[in-house]
Amino acid sequence: GAGVSQSPSNKVTEKGKDVELRCDPISGHTALYWYRQSLGQGLEFLIYFQGNSAPDKSGLPSDRFSAERTGGSVSTLTIQRTQQEDSAVYLCASSLAPGAGNTIYFGEGSWLTVV
Amino acid sequence: GQNIDQPTEMTATEGAIVQINCTYQTSGFNGLFWYQQHAGEAPTFLSYNVLDGLEEKGRFSSFLSRSKGYSYLLLKELQMKDSASYLCAVRDRGTGGSYIPTFGRGTSLIVHP
Repeated sequence: GAGVSQSPSNKVTEKGKDVELRCDPISGHTALYWYRQSLGQGLEFLIYFQGNSAPDKSGLPSDRFSAERTGGSVSTLTIQRTQQEDSAVYLCASSLAPGAGNTIYFGEGSWLTVV
Repeated sequence: GQNIDQPTEMTATEGAIVQINCTYQTSGFNGLFWYQQHAGEAPTFLSYNVLDGLEEKGRFSSFLSRSKGYSYLLLKELQMKDSASYLCAVRDRGTGGSYIPTFGRGTSLIVHP
């Protein structure tokens, strides 16, 4: 696609349920990032994928969070046993490999509300 | 890790010039980004600096001094549509070993007539 695509755009879930958020990066982009942004806060790094390398998971806040990237393209962020503090916008971004291109393009985000 | 500091809020008049500062502390510096984010929308890329000096792009310019850990974004001929949050992000080697941009909290710019 022309840009980074994320789904769902909005998700309301009950506390304790699992959610999956999907990201389809720009074609040809080997780097993929997940960030989250709480209301009035900055972007918080979660996880980074680069090509076939092992992902950098250093930003994941707890073991309830996980992500995978299949075939070097689409990525899924999974949050298990959601808590109210997980409510935020989850932003996916993609870019060419660092050094090959420096513009990081963001998707529109998935707005998650845990009630 | 990084410590990125930028003002929380600024106001300016339509047609004026505004400078948004960003200071940071990091090791293994690998570039500084500026993004614009309108309320409820995704951040959009404005500029990237990796060497010292000024990068000009239309009404927007970005400056970097690596020795001072300092950058600014300069917006000229302000328009009402420039009202947005401006995010400074520094890329360096994170705790996981990858080069990842870390974002500041952003500066909310309000442009009034």
